Amino acid sequence: GEDVEQSLFLSVREGDSSVINCTYTDSSSTYLYWYKQEPGAGLQLLTYIFSNMDMKQDQRLTVLLNKKDKHLSLRIADTQTGDSAIYFCAEGYNKLIFGAGTRLAVHP
Amino acid sequence: DTGVSQDPRHKITKRGQNVTFRCDPISEHNRLYWYRQTLGQGPEFLTYFQNEAQLEKSRLLSDRFSAERPKGSFSTLEIQRTEQGDSAMYLCASSLADRGNYGYTFGSGTRLTVV
Repeated sequence: GEDVEQSLFLSVREGDSSVINCTYTDSSSTYLYWYKQEPGAGLQLLTYIFSNMDMKQDQRLTVLLNKKDKHLSLRIADTQTGDSAIYFCAEGYNKLIFGAGTRLAVHP
Repeated sequence: DTGVSQDPRHKITKRGQNVTFRCDPISEHNRLYWYRQTLGQGPEFLTYFQNEAQLEKSRLLSDRFSAERPKGSFSTLEIQRTEQGDSAMYLCASSLADRGNYGYTFGSGTRLTVV
């Protein structure tokens, strides 16, 4: 069945780059997404990528997609304390399948 | 437009009681989704509507759960005879399907605690 897997925790120093990884199983997925969730809040769409793309850059965010390996990554450049949150990878179109989330901790 | 609104933000109920949550989507969005999120997990799909039609329901949505979107605007999610396992964050989201799916806009959720 459909499944999305992420590492659960990432700790980085402020100013460094963060790379959050995700693997998915549904090869027919048209869209893949990254969402951010801060404590007590809903999910905020950060970026998305079409399955026919390899890379998408949006300011400090870079998404890389390896369709062959069904691997998606999110790189955050110059990570700041305000980036501390849980990041969810998701695949799908009408119905999204989410990973369990990666908790990003940014320390001085 | 202030985004997707959910009411209430928090609900504590006794086991066996019925609860109803409301979601007001972004006004021009024709699709509305309900998800459930438990601690330490990502959101799980429950159901979605296009306008007033309920197009898909998850197997997670037992007979005790019912969702409506009577006029294609706001939606309600009712849980009958609540159980402790229903304790979760219930998230609503909306999107405009006509422009492809560029991701949902989520509300802040309703946190349900069944005691």
